[in-house]
Amino acid sequence: AQSVTQPDIHITVSEGASLELRCNYSYGATPYLFWYVQSPGQGLQLLLKYFSGDTLVQGIKGFEAEFKRSQSSFNLRKPSVHWSDAAEYFCAVGPNTGNQFYFGTGTSLTVIP
Amino acid sequence: GAGVSQSPSNKVTEKGKDVELRCDPISGHTALYWYRQSLGQGLEFLIYFQGNSAPDKSGLPSDRFSAERTGGSVSTLTIQRTQQEDSAVYLCASSLGQGAIDEQFFGPGTRLTVL
Repeated sequence: AQSVTQPDIHITVSEGASLELRCNYSYGATPYLFWYVQSPGQGLQLLLKYFSGDTLVQGIKGFEAEFKRSQSSFNLRKPSVHWSDAAEYFCAVGPNTGNQFYFGTGTSLTVIP
Repeated sequence: GAGVSQSPSNKVTEKGKDVELRCDPISGHTALYWYRQSLGQGLEFLIYFQGNSAPDKSGLPSDRFSAERTGGSVSTLTIQRTQQEDSAVYLCASSLGQGAIDEQFFGPGTRLTVL
């Protein structure tokens, strides 16, 4: 069955430090992969997505993610975190057939000065 | 332009009552999704509408849950005989309807509390 795992429930980083949020997926075919961010009181916003091609994808707000088929991973990275990046981050797998998307349980990011 | 809106933002109800949650998608978006976000859980897919096609109801957890989409626009999620385990944030999203490659635009959600 399809699933998405985000192993880190909560991460704390210092402002200016680098960030990597982990995402592992289980999917029978080539997946469509997404990262969303949910700021307090806000709806989810798409950061980036991967369908095919270059395995390193760039997104908004300086985020990037790398698709590694051999590891079934799609980790999100940012070289220098800003205080405004504090939020909940969700990894998702989308269907290449059907309509059902699968979301991870989220990683809560705290940024300390 | 206007994003996806949902109402009410908060709903408190008593166990056994029926509730209706409303979603107004972005104008021109033909696809509409409902999700449930329980505490400490990821988003759980509930139902998908695409244009005039029959909805994909495969994610609805029980027959107490139903949804309609009138005129290809506004959608209402109805939960009958609510239970405490129905307490969650219910999120609606819309997209252009071109498939999984589309960006989904999410509303702010309705927080449902069943006492």
